[in-house]
Amino acid sequence: GAVVSQHPSWVICKSGTSVKIECRSLDFQATTMFWYRQFPKQSLMLMATSNEGSKATYEQGVEKDKFLINHASLTLSTLTVTSAHPEDSSFYICSARDLRLAGGDSYEQYFGPGTRLTVT
Amino acid sequence: KQEVTQIPAALSVPEGENLVLNCSFTDSAIYNLQWFRQDPGKGLTSLLLIQSSQREQTSGRLNASLDKSSGRSTLYIAASQPGDSATYLCAVRPLYNQGGKLIFGQGTELSVKP
Repeated sequence: GAVVSQHPSWVICKSGTSVKIECRSLDFQATTMFWYRQFPKQSLMLMATSNEGSKATYEQGVEKDKFLINHASLTLSTLTVTSAHPEDSSFYICSARDLRLAGGDSYEQYFGPGTRLTVT
Repeated sequence: KQEVTQIPAALSVPEGENLVLNCSFTDSAIYNLQWFRQDPGKGLTSLLLIQSSQREQTSGRLNASLDKSSGRSTLYIAASQPGDSATYLCAVRPLYNQGGKLIFGQGTELSVKP
C-alpha cells in the first residue's frame, strides 16, 4: 500500500528559531500534498495544499510567510515554520494524493505519521 | 461552508459490545466520506472510504453507512475489543473543486474496557 513518511517525528526548538518538516511519499508519486495541524483534543485543520512545481495554496487565516511550503519533487514536500513561537506547538500531519489514481473514483489521501513540534 | 460534527465526543463501552459512531455534515455536495482511526500521538489510519454514490462499506468488524441526502454517516463496530480504543475521525471531501482537501470532524474518543 501507499506509504507516507514524515521527518522528524518530533522536534523541540527554542522560540524564534525555524524548523523544517519533511513529508515523503515512499512508493508512489504525489502531485498534491496537504499539510494539516492538530491541537490537543481537536481535529485536523487544513493549513495548505502543496502542489508540485507551483506555489502552495493556503487556507484562510494561515500565514504564508510564517509557514513556508516547498514541493520540489513528486515525492517530497517540506513545511518550514519560521520564527516559531510557543503557540505554534502542535502536531503537524501531511497527506499525499497518489498520482496514479488522480481523477479516478478511487481517489484517496494517504497520511503520514505526524510530527510533534514543541516550541519552548 | 461545510461543517462536520461527530457525536458523541467520547464513548466508553465494555468489551464485546456493538457500538455506533455518528458523523453529520451540513452540505450534501460531497465527493466521498472517509473514516479514520487515530491512536494517541500518532497519524491517521484509513478505515473505510465511501464514495458519494455508495450506501455503505464493510471491512471486517467495521461497517460504515452513508446517507448523503440527510448528511449523515455511521460507523458500526461489532464485538468491540480493547484494541479498538482510539479516536475515530470522519472526513468529507467537498464535491466542488477545493483542491481535494478533506474536512474533518472533531472525532469520537472510544475506550473499550476489558
